[in-house]
Amino acid sequence: KNEVEQSPQNLTAQEGEFITINCSYSVGISALHWLQQHPGGGIVSLFMLSSGKKKHGRLIATINIQEKHSSLHITASHPRDSAVYICAVRSTRNYGGATNKLIFGTGTLLAVQP
Amino acid sequence: ETGVTQSPTHLIKTRGQQVTLRCSSQSGHNTVSWYQQALGQGPQFIFQYYREEENGRGNFPPRFSGLQFPNYSSELNVNALELDDSALYLCASSLWDRGSTFGSGTRLTVV
Repeated sequence: KNEVEQSPQNLTAQEGEFITINCSYSVGISALHWLQQHPGGGIVSLFMLSSGKKKHGRLIATINIQEKHSSLHITASHPRDSAVYICAVRSTRNYGGATNKLIFGTGTLLAVQP
Repeated sequence: ETGVTQSPTHLIKTRGQQVTLRCSSQSGHNTVSWYQQALGQGPQFIFQYYREEENGRGNFPPRFSGLQFPNYSSELNVNALELDDSALYLCASSLWDRGSTFGSGTRLTVV
């Protein structure tokens, strides 16, 4: 079982719809990232959070540390939101001294149709 | 402030060859991590460098090695390339354990 699980794996939405992507993790963490990756492209960090909720434009990220769960919401979705959304956690486990090592989920492929 | 720059963007190599990938860290960042992302998978941690020394390693063989320079830029070297090394290689810089900035990656194809 992966340490970071995302759902759904694939999501197709109509423009304007409200979208939720979920992330569950099984390790202790100090922070959680939501990342965006366009096809063939690099990764852009959307949010880093360790508690509560953050909002940036149409994007909202929440985290519940007790339940080891986070959600990424997109309001009024648009075709340009089409991308892979990846949840990554910064584990508190010591990986041979490495800090800030991220464990990634496999991503959610979002397609927003006009 | 500049972001993280990786070069080259794309590369094709033959099995058995060696490759060097480069990463320029974001200004002010002193820690560099390298990740391998196979097609359809999430990135996997290769190793991290802090102050020019390896500071942790994932489950990758010794033929994956790296360097970090005094200006905090970094190289990833892979010897004896195998077909399964074909992937997107991502570099992420950070200031110690704070948020990471990712590069756009190098797409390596081994034929």
